[in-house]
This record gives sequence, structure tokens and C-alpha cells, in this order.
Amino acid sequence: EVQLAQSGAEVKKPGESLKISCKGSRYSFNSYWIGWVRQMPGKGLEWMGIIYPDDSDTRYSPSFQGQVTISADKSISTAYLQWSSLKASDTAMYYCARPDFRGDYDSGGYFYWGQGTLVTVSS
Amino acid sequence: EIVMTQSPATLSVSPGERATLSCRASQSVSGNLAWYQQKPGQAPRLLIYGASTRATGIPARFSGSGSGTEFTLTISSLQSEDFAVYYCQQYNNWPRTFGQGTNLEIK
Repeated sequence: EVQLAQSGAEVKKPGESLKISCKGSRYSFNSYWIGWVRQMPGKGLEWMGIIYPDDSDTRYSPSFQGQVTISADKSISTAYLQWSSLKASDTAMYYCARPDFRGDYDSGGYFYWGQGTLVTVSS
Repeated sequence: EIVMTQSPATLSVSPGERATLSCRASQSVSGNLAWYQQKPGQAPRLLIYGASTRATGIPARFSGSGSGTEFTLTISSLQSEDFAVYYCQQYNNWPRTFGQGTNLEIK
């Protein structure tokens, strides 16, 4: 079965950098887009961006462009979400997710989800 | 960006009854709409894609309809495990956007 395994919870201070990961397994990692979704405490889902691991083609939501960097290392089947300078407002659960279907971006929505990585930013 | 508006924010329904959730897009998304269910402490689960196609493993009591700007998720006979928050999401345009969610609670 397809799995997306995310890195563990993080507690950081404002201004620190962070890179969280999402490792795909039991499928051809290069061939499926991976998306990132934010969920702030008690709030709804926010689409952040998406990457195609084979060529690192990336699309960002304007709300997150310049605030985060999405990347992937296909040699180890892992996608990343990183911050260079965290803010308290970055405190949230972050999910990676994959569509069920190959190609054509994330058409069909996100069928497979990671377990989430909780990021807490506090002084 | 396309704004997805869900209504109502909270829906109170008794088990066994039907629930109807709405999602409106600020401009046409054709049929490129998905519905998700999220329970506390869990990742979202895809229910419907293409506005009306059930995802693998989703019970037949879940159905989706609509196209363009107006969409509906119907749960025909609510089971205890269906009480959760439901989100719609468009994947027609960049950036992808979610609705703010409908909290389906037990009446």
C-alpha cells in the first residue's frame, strides 16, 4: 500500500529555520505530484503548493510563495517543506498528500495523506 | 484565486437522517471538485472527486453532484462515524483552494 511518512513534530523559536519531510514508499515516487497542506490550530485546510519529484516542477499558492520552499529528492523518494525564518504564525499541522492518479497534476484530489507534522513556533 | 464557500458552517442532523452540504465556487471550476472528510486528530480522507465520483472504498451513502460553481455532498443515512468536518476543494485553477469546512454534528 502507498505510504507517505512525515517527519516528527518540531518545536522551534521564531527566526529559526526548519525543513520537514515526507517520504513516499510502495509506489513510483517520481511519477506523482505531492502537495502540501497547512492546518492551523482549530482551523481549516489551506493548500500551500505542489511538486513533481521527477523534474521538481513546483507551483505555490500566492499566500505561501516566498514564505516557504518546496523541494524533492527523488533519489530518496522524499519531498520537503522548509522555512528560512519561522514565525509564531507558522504554528500548524502540515500534511503532505498525493493524488491517486498519475500525471496531470493533482487532478482527482488527494487520495493518500501523510500523518501530518506538527510545527510549533514559540519563544 | 477561486474562493470556495461552504454552507452551512455547522449542520446538526440526527443519525439515520440525510445530510446535504453545499459548496459554491467564485467562478466556474467545471467538474474539478473534491470532497474530504476530516475527523479530529486525523488527516483528511478523500470522499468524492470529479464532483460526483466516489473515491475507492467510500460507502455508497456518500454522493456528490453539481458542476460549474454549485456543488452538493449528500450523505443519505447518517451513521455515527460520519459526524466530522467536511471540506470541498477545487483543482481546476491555480492555486488550488479549499472551502472553510462544514462541521456535521449530531443533533
